[in-house]
Amino acid sequence: GAGVSQSPRYKVAKRGQDVALRCDPISGHVSLFWYQQALGQGPEFLTYFQNEAQLDKSGLPSDRFFAERPEGSVSTLKIQRTQQEDSAVYLCASSILAGGREQYFGPGTRLTVT
Amino acid sequence: RKEVEQDPGPFNVPEGATVAFNCTYSNSASQSFFWYRQDCRKEPKLLMSVYSSGNEDGRFTAQLNRASQYISLLIRDSKLSDSATYLCVVPSGSARQLTFGSGTQLTVLP
Repeated sequence: GAGVSQSPRYKVAKRGQDVALRCDPISGHVSLFWYQQALGQGPEFLTYFQNEAQLDKSGLPSDRFFAERPEGSVSTLKIQRTQQEDSAVYLCASSILAGGREQYFGPGTRLTVT
Repeated sequence: RKEVEQDPGPFNVPEGATVAFNCTYSNSASQSFFWYRQDCRKEPKLLMSVYSSGNEDGRFTAQLNRASQYISLLIRDSKLSDSATYLCVVPSGSARQLTFGSGTQLTVLP
């Protein structure tokens, strides 16, 4: 069956460029989460959507990070004016329930900022 | 103190061995806990959920000690395919967030 998909899988950006990362959750999943994973670390929470509503964005590291899920399905994470410290794997996860804790992850987008 | 702390490893064990990983958490209000498995350069995948004192699934046993705020994962009869990083996960904040430990790396050797 179709799992969570993310695109692109790899992205190289020059410092200062804007990037947009896409997540297609499992169909019908209410909850969508974005995480940032640095090398050798566990994923760190960025933001949470319940349908189209962004209910928690406390993990976004700066105002350069912006996420949306306008129709309650596909989500986009945008990073403006990328910096080298933004280099990481960005993981998207979805869950069938609101605030669901059993989450299914996509393969991630590996962002490298040069 | 970090919200979730794990044995950093790495653990290198022979096939057939029993291995245990430990995890401590700081949020005493947490009611549920998870172990995720992450293969190299892959996404995390849910391995086990723990809602009460423990859970067993085949060769895998997770135990919870609420008084000590401690979770463990026991793997019996290790297989080569068990080689991965094991992430301890605790809901936190609004309980919508999952807080991940840094992971424990396991390598099962032939």
